[in-house]
Amino acid sequence: AQSVTQPDIHITVSEGASLELRCNYSYGATPYLFWYVQSPGQGLQLLLKYFSGDTLVQGIKGFEAEFKRSQSSFNLRKPSVHWSDAAEYFCAVGPLSGTASKLTFGTGTRLQVTL
Amino acid sequence: DTAVSQTPKYLVTQMGNDKSIKCEQNLGHDTMYWYKQDSKKFLKIMFSYNNKELIINETVPNRFSPKSPDKAHLNLHINSLELGDSAVYFCASSQGLGGQYTFFGPGTRLTVL
Repeated sequence: AQSVTQPDIHITVSEGASLELRCNYSYGATPYLFWYVQSPGQGLQLLLKYFSGDTLVQGIKGFEAEFKRSQSSFNLRKPSVHWSDAAEYFCAVGPLSGTASKLTFGTGTRLQVTL
Repeated sequence: DTAVSQTPKYLVTQMGNDKSIKCEQNLGHDTMYWYKQDSKKFLKIMFSYNNKELIINETVPNRFSPKSPDKAHLNLHINSLELGDSAVYFCASSQGLGGQYTFFGPGTRLTVL
């Protein structure tokens, strides 16, 4: 069964500093990979996704993620964090094919930004 | 225009009651889902419907009964509510395989007293 691990429960960075959120997945093949962001009291917004091709994907709000097959990782990065980036970040995987098109989420990483 | 909408946004009720949450999507998607987010923010799929047909039922108590009257709607009815049902319930929809374009609703925060 597929699984997603986000080893960092809580990360604090200073505004303007760089950010990397870790995500590792376990799956039989290369799945679809996603990062979602959830601001306090809000729903989930898709930041970026990887299906195939270029392993460095760009998303919204200045985020990017790099897929590394050898490490089964899909880490999220941002070169300069803004205070408004404080939120909960979820990594997720989805199957390549089949009708059971569900997403499996990691446990999330809470990002706190200090001024 | 709201892509995936849910009502109500907040629901506070007593243990033992029956309640429903409604979901509608205007994206023309053929697959809809219910996800549950517990107090530790963990998100887990509950149900998935494809073209009004149940395709995923992830070991959810039968007190939970989804109903899809048409492709654009997926409602969640919960009988005999328990304290442990308190959570945020997210409706979502997608088109195609792998859930690659899954859009989430704003969530319904259910509190059972």
